[in-house]
Amino acid sequence: DVKVTQSSRYLVKRTGEKVFLECVQDMDHENMFWYRQDPGLGLRLIYFSYDVKMKEKGDIPEGYSVSREKKERFSLILESASTNQTSMYLCASRKAGEADTQYFGPGTRLTVL
Amino acid sequence: DAKTTQPPSMDCAEGRAANLPCNHSTISGNEYVYWYRQIHSQGPQYIIHGLKNNETNEMASLIITEDRKSSTLILPHATLRDTAVYYCIVRSIQGAQKLVFGQGTRLTINP
Repeated sequence: DVKVTQSSRYLVKRTGEKVFLECVQDMDHENMFWYRQDPGLGLRLIYFSYDVKMKEKGDIPEGYSVSREKKERFSLILESASTNQTSMYLCASRKAGEADTQYFGPGTRLTVL
Repeated sequence: DAKTTQPPSMDCAEGRAANLPCNHSTISGNEYVYWYRQIHSQGPQYIIHGLKNNETNEMASLIITEDRKSSTLILPHATLRDTAVYYCIVRSIQGAQKLVFGQGTRLTINP
């Protein structure tokens, strides 16, 4: 089974802090994604990565950056956390060239105070 | 991607088959039907996908009509753990794409 893990299930940070969210997948998938999910707004894509060291902006990249130094790991960085970044953050991975099936991690519920 | 229409909510008794419908009348020839679900406070979970033939895996069966304008996800023996929001989406296979979920169907399995 594909396994996607995220570093924390719940996280509380203060405004202005730098926040790191890590995602690891164990199926050698090329593509990885970071989404956030908010009530009434659905899933929104922040960044995605086709492969190692590659990254593309999604729909809402402002205030975020990413790092993909190894194939299995995709990190989301909030440079200076703000209260409007309080959300559920979801990581997903996909095998390139196959059906567009994305496998999600359990999510990190981030609260910024 | 073609638009999909699902009922907002459904109920099913535990142990019975849950049949979740989805309309996708504007689907094009190269688009697949995918089903995901999201249990409360968890990440979305892939269930099954198909192009035109019926598909079955360990989780569910997918029945696609001959004209491909609608489909039904079948959970053959629903359990309480199947209570979730179920999303039907239609998309083609082409590179890494973001997933966009509609409102989905909130399925409640009753004891």
